[in-house]
This record gives sequence, C-alpha cells and structure tokens, in this order.
Amino acid sequence: EAGVAQSPRYKIIEKRQSVAFWCNPISGHATLYWYQQILGQGPKLLIQFQNNGVVDDSQLPKDRFSAERLKGVDSTLKIQPAKLEDSAVYLCASTLDGDRNSPLHFGNGTRLTVT
Amino acid sequence: AQSVAQPEDQVNVAEGNPLTVKCTYSVSGNPYLFWYVQYPNRGLQFLLKYITGDNLVKGSYGFEAEFNKSQTSFHLKKPSALVSDSALYFCAVRDNFGNEKLTFGTGTRLTIIP
Repeated sequence: EAGVAQSPRYKIIEKRQSVAFWCNPISGHATLYWYQQILGQGPKLLIQFQNNGVVDDSQLPKDRFSAERLKGVDSTLKIQPAKLEDSAVYLCASTLDGDRNSPLHFGNGTRLTVT
Repeated sequence: AQSVAQPEDQVNVAEGNPLTVKCTYSVSGNPYLFWYVQYPNRGLQFLLKYITGDNLVKGSYGFEAEFNKSQTSFHLKKPSALVSDSALYFCAVRDNFGNEKLTFGTGTRLTIIP
C-alpha cells in the first residue's frame, strides 16, 4: 500500500511570511494527525482529525496555525505569520480508525526553516 | 497526567553485541506503549507495541521489548546489533483511560560501531 504522502519536503521562509503543508494519508484511513517535531524533541501533536471533523486541537497555536481536511481525505496545515520558533519538522500521520492502541503511520515530513 | 522518559540521549554499541534502549513511563491507568524508529530525513516507523498480555513483545527487524509494570519500564532490546540499526528511537505512551494524547519521549540516538 502507498504510504502517507507529504509535500513539500523542505521549505525556507522568512519570519512573518505564511506557509502551507499538504498531506495525503493512507487510502481508507479515517484518522489524520499533524505533529510538530522540534530538533532534539519527540513529536508533539498539533491536531487530530476523524474524517473531516476535528477531534483534538488543544495544542494548536490557533492565533497562527490552521488546518483543514475538508473532504475527509487529504489535509493542509498553514502557518500565518511564521515565527522563528516554528522551525521544525512537521509530520503527518494516519491510522485506520483512531483507536488508541493503533500504531501511527507517518509520512517523511516537511522540514521548515524560518529565518 | 502521563509522561515518558528516555534517560539516554546517545547509546553506542559494537556490531554483534546486544543492545538496550531504555524507556520509563508514568500513567494514571494502564499504559499502551510503543517504540518507533526514525532514520535520517524520514518519518517515524512503528517497531512494536505493548497493549496487554505477555510482557515480552516482539517486533520488526528482530527487536523486542519487555514491559515491567513494577519498574514502569519498557526497554527496547535486540540480541545482536547491526550497523543498519543506527537511528533515532522514540518510546511513546498513552493511558488506556481518559483523553490523554500519545506522548513521545525525547528520543535516543543509537549508533552501532562496526
């Protein structure tokens, strides 16, 4: 089966600019996650979707971050405006049903550098 | 609240020797425990999980992990290390009760020395 697809792989922007990341989960996976992985840290959940609905966005900085999954398939994560501390790898992951004991399937991530 | 700790940032092992990557956790209920591996410029790959049952869990690439409830640990092990095992390893935990999110440790960089 095809894995989780993410684009772009790398992005360099200046602070206060905007940026968007795209993710296409494994076909048929209802649950989609966006994680932020800062260098030297483990991934931190930003937002979880179940189909096209938000399950958990408690750790999403909503003043600058937004995400959507309008048709319940692919998803876009946006940052506007970006800050230096947003430099990180943004990982998308999916699971079939969101069950808490289901392992996550991760994409290769988008490495964002904010200068 | 739940938490997970990986006490070693870096582990070096000679090729062919056994390896151990340590993980301890804290949860209110019972834990769901996971190990993931991350190769350079790649996403995380699932290795194994403990949900319930046998304390020794076997996973991908010859890895196994032992759940120890009294020590609240879930150490990752392999009897004979390969150079290709060199990567970043993450332990993760989720309480089986409540609305806690999956929490990842800070990672351990494993280097296998030829």
